[in-house]
Amino acid sequence: SQKIEQNSEALNIQEGKTATLTCNYTNYSPAYLQWYRQDPGRGPVFLLLIRENEKEKRKERLKVTFDTTLKQSLFHITASQPADSATYLCALDSHGGSQGNLIFGKGTKLSVKP
Amino acid sequence: GAVVSQHPSWVICKSGTSVKIECRSLDFQATTMFWYRQFPKQSLMLMATSNEGSKATYEQGVEKDKFLINHASLTLSTLTVTSAHPEDSSFYICSAPHHPSGGTQYFGPGTRLTVL
Repeated sequence: SQKIEQNSEALNIQEGKTATLTCNYTNYSPAYLQWYRQDPGRGPVFLLLIRENEKEKRKERLKVTFDTTLKQSLFHITASQPADSATYLCALDSHGGSQGNLIFGKGTKLSVKP
Repeated sequence: GAVVSQHPSWVICKSGTSVKIECRSLDFQATTMFWYRQFPKQSLMLMATSNEGSKATYEQGVEKDKFLINHASLTLSTLTVTSAHPEDSSFYICSAPHHPSGGTQYFGPGTRLTVL
């Protein structure tokens, strides 16, 4: 069955450092992968989408890579700030590119200490 | 950016009662909306796809007679949890794809349901 895993349940880093979160998937060949931020008691907020033919994508302090050979995406936050503390979710479209219903990982809870 | 709202944001009900949750796309039309459920420290799990003008599509293991979905208009979908039980207590979140931005999904703020 299709599976998506975010290896770390929690990640604690110091302010100013780069946070790197990992997302792995199996039994699937997604057309693209998405990253979301979720704060406690709130719905997810879309951050970035990377397509299978894109190796890397950037948005301000965020960078996402996508390795379809390793079946892995890495999500980086550079110059991290306490305000970046949240749970970050990766997601795949289960219908392969229709941007329809999404399969989510469990998320990685990032804590940035001042 | 596109906005999706949910109402209510939280609800407490007695076991056996029914609860209706609304999901609205505020500044765009959505022929399709999605309903997810999230238990504590778990990932969002898709429950069903709500289709305007036709029946909802339910994921495996989700009882369609228990979770009634009505996509009444291009901006409104409702989820009714019928005969709620304590095990239905969860965080319910809807989303809608915003096609002007390439189909990116926008999520509502969620509804916390507690069944006593």
